[in-house]
Amino acid sequence: GAGVSQSPRYKVAKRGQDVALRCDPISGHVSLFWYQQALGQGPEFLTYFQNEAQLDKSGLPSDRFFAERPEGSVSTLKIQRTQQEDSAVYLCASSLGPQGYSNQPQHFGDGTRLSIL
Amino acid sequence: DAKTTQPPSMDCAEGRAANLPCNHSTISGNEYVYWYRQIHSQGPQYIIHGLKNNETNEMASLIITEDRKSSTLILPHATLRDTAVYYCIVRVAGGSFGANSKLTFGKGITLSVRP
Repeated sequence: GAGVSQSPRYKVAKRGQDVALRCDPISGHVSLFWYQQALGQGPEFLTYFQNEAQLDKSGLPSDRFFAERPEGSVSTLKIQRTQQEDSAVYLCASSLGPQGYSNQPQHFGDGTRLSIL
Repeated sequence: DAKTTQPPSMDCAEGRAANLPCNHSTISGNEYVYWYRQIHSQGPQYIIHGLKNNETNEMASLIITEDRKSSTLILPHATLRDTAVYYCIVRVAGGSFGANSKLTFGKGITLSVRP
């Protein structure tokens, strides 16, 4: 079956521009996560959705970062007024159940590589 | 989540077993051990997870010590395609409804499989 799909695969933007990154989770998956991965580092948690509810946004680095999942399926991560330090791979993951009661693995997409010039 | 420690790198010969160690000495009773791997330019791929019993699936085996303070991921017959960064992660499961169970990655161990 289809896995987690992210688009675009690569994004280049000039400093100060706004960008939007899309994630299509596996159909029927309740939980959706966003992670940021800097070069040479492991992924770091940004935010978590259970259906359309954003239950944890503690990892978002600044108020320039905004995520939404309005219908409980597709999610968008938006970065406003991009800075060079925002350059990274942004990964999306989904899992079947709500995280609190499930012990199910997260399945990742291949990410969007964002480069800010 | 409890922290894990892994050596930075290791290598093994193609066709041989690869044994990847992980220490998690502060693991709690309700924390699972998860293993993911990340091949260059791809997202992390789930491999296996366990609580206290040894686990095996089509990809690998997970051996957890009786005191749960360490574990070993075993790839029984490594191939060149197994060259990747392998992450050992401990993760809380269960708890109140809606509780987040994010993954906390370290730097992982880079496995190089040589021909």
